[in-house]
Amino acid sequence: NAGVMQNPRHLVRRRGQEARLRCSPMKGHSHVYWYRQLPEEGLKFMVYLQKENIIDESGMPKERFSAEFPKEGPSILRIQQVVRGDSAAYFCASSRTGIDNSPLHFGNGTRLTVT
Amino acid sequence: GENVEQHPSTLSVQEGDSAVIKCTYSDSASNYFPWYKQELGKRPQLIIDIRSNVGEKKDQRIAVTLNKTAKHFSLHITETQPEDSAVYFCAASNPSGGNKLVFGAGTILRVKS
Repeated sequence: NAGVMQNPRHLVRRRGQEARLRCSPMKGHSHVYWYRQLPEEGLKFMVYLQKENIIDESGMPKERFSAEFPKEGPSILRIQQVVRGDSAAYFCASSRTGIDNSPLHFGNGTRLTVT
Repeated sequence: GENVEQHPSTLSVQEGDSAVIKCTYSDSASNYFPWYKQELGKRPQLIIDIRSNVGEKKDQRIAVTLNKTAKHFSLHITETQPEDSAVYFCAASNPSGGNKLVFGAGTILRVKS
């Protein structure tokens, strides 16, 4: 049973380019959460999605960042016009349900470097 | 919204000693408190969790305690080993948040052999 799959593992972008990060949840999981981790810091919540719906985007910057979780295919976190401050590890987690505190399982992350 | 404070930020212990990491939370509606271990360059991994209907949970060398009244919870690792060295994160969630976790800032644990 494959875990949460994220790709790419490492992504290098020049300032002004777009970054697309992909996340496939665990089998049977329909809830996806994106977190950002700056170097030597904790995990900051960005967005919570269920299939085709954004449930909570309270941690998402208002500009340049967007997320989707289509009916078919992985969840995508998109960062437009990247800046150096976007350099971080972006982790995706999934859970089976959005209630009853089912545990979150994390992927291996995408390490974004903006040059 | 929920705010989780974690202490200490770094902790060094001798192999075989115990390690204790403490967290406090602000939202009295929070009812789920997991702990994650993250090794360098790797993903956070769930090591133990506790729900608000119990005060203590143990799994081999790891235990977690919860004080709902004081809104704090702690991770206890006994007989520490070098492979316990990692960053440990506490987190909290409440039912209205859809399993969204709010994390503490993390504790760097170093076990010296």
